[in-house]
Amino acid sequence: GAGVSQSPSNKVTEKGKDVELRCDPISGHTALYWYRQSLGQGLEFLIYFQGNSAPDKSGLPSDRFSAERTGGSVSTLTIQRTQQEDSAVYLCASSSRSFSGNTIYFGEGSWLTVV
Amino acid sequence: TQLLEQSPQFLSIQEGENLTVYCNSSSVFSSLQWYRQEPGEGPVLLVTVVTGGEVKKLKRLTFQFGDARKDSSLHITAAQPGDTGLYLCAGADQRGSQGNLIFGKGTKLSVKP
Repeated sequence: GAGVSQSPSNKVTEKGKDVELRCDPISGHTALYWYRQSLGQGLEFLIYFQGNSAPDKSGLPSDRFSAERTGGSVSTLTIQRTQQEDSAVYLCASSSRSFSGNTIYFGEGSWLTVV
Repeated sequence: TQLLEQSPQFLSIQEGENLTVYCNSSSVFSSLQWYRQEPGEGPVLLVTVVTGGEVKKLKRLTFQFGDARKDSSLHITAAQPGDTGLYLCAGADQRGSQGNLIFGKGTKLSVKP
């Protein structure tokens, strides 16, 4: 499809394991965002990529979280040594430039459950 | 830390009723967006307001940005069951990262036929 694609849609992992979440942005979109949505909470900003600029990592909650974006397209969010509090929906979004004046398109999210 | 407070948190109404959702902050935002999210899907942008006092209409939805750009409201006229969903407001801080939208916790709306 033409939208933001995320995989896996659901992931159950054991505490202490590493997980990788993938995001395919809309073709041609230079800006890519990761957000986390916990039950009963709003969206929490994690990281933002814009073109070839250094990513804004200010929202990453700990050094167990990292993300990369290869070739200015696909992005992977990695969570090492997962904890139960990491359970949430991880949402990826993209836009044609920065969001100012441009619509951000969200994927359907990756639902992570840490048991 | 910038916060956006949304109220009410939950709202259950009958089809045909009117409702208003509020989004308040002590911080000034350069722009504010409203999203609607359905279960199992990502949020979908409804509107962006930029100018203090701005009012935008989208069919039965009316969005207003406060004069001081610290608050916003969403008013729905004659609600329909199809309006059911989670409504999120998100503010952009011009001083911060271009990617860092501050989201409220959302208002979960249920419209019963």
